[in-house]
Amino acid sequence: DGGITQSPKYLFRKEGQNVTLSCEQNLNHDAMYWYRQDPGQGLRLIYYSQIVNDFQKGDIAEGYSVSREKKESFPLTVTSAQKNPTAFYLCASRQTDQETQYFGPGTRLLVL
Amino acid sequence: LAKTTQPISMDSYEGQEVNITCSHNNIATNDYITWYQQFPSQGPRFIIQGYKTKVTNEVASLFIPADRKSSTLSLPRVSLSDTAVYYCLVGDMNGGFKTIFGAGTRLFVKA
Repeated sequence: DGGITQSPKYLFRKEGQNVTLSCEQNLNHDAMYWYRQDPGQGLRLIYYSQIVNDFQKGDIAEGYSVSREKKESFPLTVTSAQKNPTAFYLCASRQTDQETQYFGPGTRLLVL
Repeated sequence: LAKTTQPISMDSYEGQEVNITCSHNNIATNDYITWYQQFPSQGPRFIIQGYKTKVTNEVASLFIPADRKSSTLSLPRVSLSDTAVYYCLVGDMNGGFKTIFGAGTRLFVKA
């Protein structure tokens, strides 16, 4: 089946710890996105990547980092600099000439 | 990027038709209008997309007036399972890699 997978489904972070959220797609899409969603709120863009080895900051990039070494993978690292990381994180991908984004199932990050 | 404005929430009853309107006064010539649906603890999923006039698929209809400054998502005969958040997005297929999701419209369908 084609689609986007995110892992883990739930992730717990200790104070001062960096954690990495995985996002993989087999849709052969060029563009990939990371969003953060807080309870009862809409999606806010963290980072996006138009092509391999290239990415741009979104609206709330502080405290996060990404890499795009392979077309199918776009991992997100939540660093210790992100003081309020508890949220639902969503990854998406998109074909360059299409507007529609395809979303993964999400990762819920909780702080211990 | 064109900003969109939607009602924060709407209530309906099973079997009714629901219309959710989105304002996008600054829509550009090349922009398309796309609607997504999101259930709790899931990623949004595509519902419908259009450029002008009317688009219909097996799930919904999208009405876009001639000036394209607004659009209306129409859900026929809603059921309890249509309770979700609905997002309206406006963007260019060929260049708008950065996208903006607003707060969306929370639709609550009652029995």
